[in-house]
Amino acid sequence: DGGITQSPKYLFRKEGQNVTLSCEQNLNHDAMYWYRQDPGQGLRLIYYSQIVNDFQKGDIAEGYSVSREKKESFPLTVTSAQKNPTAFYLCASSISRGSNEQFFGPGTRLTVL
Amino acid sequence: GDSVTQMEGPVTLSEEAFLTINCTYTATGYPSLFWYVQYPGEGLQLLLKATKADDKGSNKGFEATYRKETTSFHLEKGSVQVSDSAVYFCALTDSNYQLIWGAGTKLIIKP
Repeated sequence: DGGITQSPKYLFRKEGQNVTLSCEQNLNHDAMYWYRQDPGQGLRLIYYSQIVNDFQKGDIAEGYSVSREKKESFPLTVTSAQKNPTAFYLCASSISRGSNEQFFGPGTRLTVL
Repeated sequence: GDSVTQMEGPVTLSEEAFLTINCTYTATGYPSLFWYVQYPGEGLQLLLKATKADDKGSNKGFEATYRKETTSFHLEKGSVQVSDSAVYFCALTDSNYQLIWGAGTKLIIKP
């Protein structure tokens, strides 16, 4: 089955630690995205990538970093510089940046202890 | 900048009731409009979309019509089921192909 997988489903982090969230897709999509979801708010774009070895900051990139070394993988690192990292993180992909539909993974819930 | 406004939730209905979730937008140009649904503990799924004025998107009994004159894209369903309980997000694509999201509306259907 084609789709997007995210791991882990739940992640706990101590303050001051960096953590990396995994996102893998086997849809052969060029574009991939990371969003943050907070209660009562819509999704906010952290980073996106249109093609391998290229990525762009979204609206709330501070305290986050990404890499796109392979087409199917787009990991997100939440660094200690992110002041309020507790949230639900969603990865998505689309055929291309201009595509009308994004496909979402099941999400990772990050909690900072 | 572009924005999407949805009615606040939660919206609580009885099974077989008629559903409307309001969505209005502000945008330059002619955006595409979307409704996504998020079931508890899951990612989002595209429910329906419309790419130009007067288009009607439909799926699983849900419908929404792109109304340029009122800048609206209200979601409707004639008879809701308990399984429709979820959070519904209205969104548009701006001129840079970025999805702009509403805050989401939680729908609770009681048997």
